[in-house]
Amino acid sequence: ELQLLESGGGFVQPGGSLRLSCAASGFTFSSYAMSWVRQAPGKGLEWVSLLGSGGGDTYYADSVKGRFTISRDVSKTTLYLQINNLKDDDTAVYYCARGRGARYPESRTFDYWGQGTLVTVSS
Amino acid sequence: IQLTQSPSSLSASVGDRVTITCRASQGIGSNLAWYQHKPGKAPNLLIYAASTLLSGVPSRFSGSGSGTDFTLTISSLQPEDFATYYCQQFHNFPLTFGGGTKVEIK
Repeated sequence: ELQLLESGGGFVQPGGSLRLSCAASGFTFSSYAMSWVRQAPGKGLEWVSLLGSGGGDTYYADSVKGRFTISRDVSKTTLYLQINNLKDDDTAVYYCARGRGARYPESRTFDYWGQGTLVTVSS
Repeated sequence: IQLTQSPSSLSASVGDRVTITCRASQGIGSNLAWYQHKPGKAPNLLIYAASTLLSGVPSRFSGSGSGTDFTLTISSLQPEDFATYYCQQFHNFPLTFGGGTKVEIK
């Protein structure tokens, strides 16, 4: 069964850092693009970042560019999101999501999602 | 690319036909997807490429449109369809979602 399991969320002060993890299983991890999508309390979905299937191409939302870094460890079938210089606006549930495929356009729509991990930024 | 969904919420009864619209700030061809999201759950992809139903999604869901104007239609609303629906464009980075349409029980 395909599974995506996020972890690493928590309570952090503004300016702090966190690393989110997404453990993937049930599919060939290296063959798919992966993304992070977040939802702030009471708000809609916001795409955050995408990692191409080759592991080298990365894309970011303007709101997180320069502060967030997406990466993966294929041997551990785990996707990561390093979040630095956290701001109050980063408070959200963070979901990892699998792209439908390796290439455009399939890579940019998301057919499997995890249950999310909550990041709370507050002083 | 900004996506504007309307309405932001609606009340409907089981069996009703429901239509949600999504307008893009510039042309995106057919590069639009629709998701269903229930509280505390992971979002579900329903439709991609504006009108292609994902395998396993009930046929009461349908999508149409191209360019800047798109529509999600639920032909006969079922109890399990009460949720928030989002459109998403994948024409350009940054990928963007619409603001959502909450479908509530009348």
